[in-house]
Amino acid sequence: KAGVTQTPRYLIKTRGQQVTLSCSPISGHRSVSWYQQTPGQGLQFLFEYFSETQRNKGNFPGRFSGRQFSNSRSEMNVSTLELGDSALYLCASRVDGINKFEQYFGPGTRLTVT
Amino acid sequence: GDSVTQMEGPVTLSEEAFLTINCTYTATGYPSLFWYVQYPGEGLQLLLKATKADDKGSNKGFEATYRKETTSFHLEKGSVQVSDSAVYFCALIRTGTASKLTFGTGTRLQVTL
Repeated sequence: KAGVTQTPRYLIKTRGQQVTLSCSPISGHRSVSWYQQTPGQGLQFLFEYFSETQRNKGNFPGRFSGRQFSNSRSEMNVSTLELGDSALYLCASRVDGINKFEQYFGPGTRLTVT
Repeated sequence: GDSVTQMEGPVTLSEEAFLTINCTYTATGYPSLFWYVQYPGEGLQLLLKATKADDKGSNKGFEATYRKETTSFHLEKGSVQVSDSAVYFCALIRTGTASKLTFGTGTRLQVTL
C-alpha cells in the first residue's frame, strides 16, 4: 500500500505571495492532519480534516487554511507569506476509528520564504 | 495543556551501546503515547505506540513502557547501530482530540563506529 505523498517536495516563495501544498493520504484513510516543523517551535499541529470538514484546529493565524476533497486528498494554503512561515510542512493520515490513533506521515514539503 | 518533555540531545553513542531517551508527559485523562523517528531529509516514521498504562510498545529492537504513575514513556534499545542515527520524537494524543499529536522537542541520536 502506498504511503502518504506530498507535493511539491520543495518550494521557494517571496514574502507576500501565497502557496498551496498538496497531500494524498494512504488509501482508505479519511483523516488528514497538517503540521508545521521549524527549528525554533518544533512540531506544531495546524489542522485536521475529515470527510471534507475541518474537525480540529491549532493556534495559527487565519492566513493558514486548508480543505479536503471527496477522495480524501487535502490541500493547505498559506496566504501573504512571511519569512517566519519557512518550515517543513508535514501531512499525516490515519484511519478514523475507535482506538485508531496512529498517524502516518508523508515526507513533507520544505517551504522557503525569501 | 498537554505537553511532552524529552531529554536534551544530542546523544552520542558507540555502536552496540545501550540507549535510553527519556520522555515524560503532562495530559489530562489517558493519552495514547508514541515514538516517532525522523531520518535526515525525511518525514516522521511511527516507531512504536502504547495506548494504556503498563502497555509496552516495541519495534525493531526499540521498546517503551507506558508508566502512568511516573507519567513517562522512555525509549530503550539494547544495542544501537549506526543506522539508528536520527531524531527521535515522543508524542501523545489525548482521547477526544484524537487528531492532534503533541510532540516533544526531539532528541538527536548519533551512533559512531
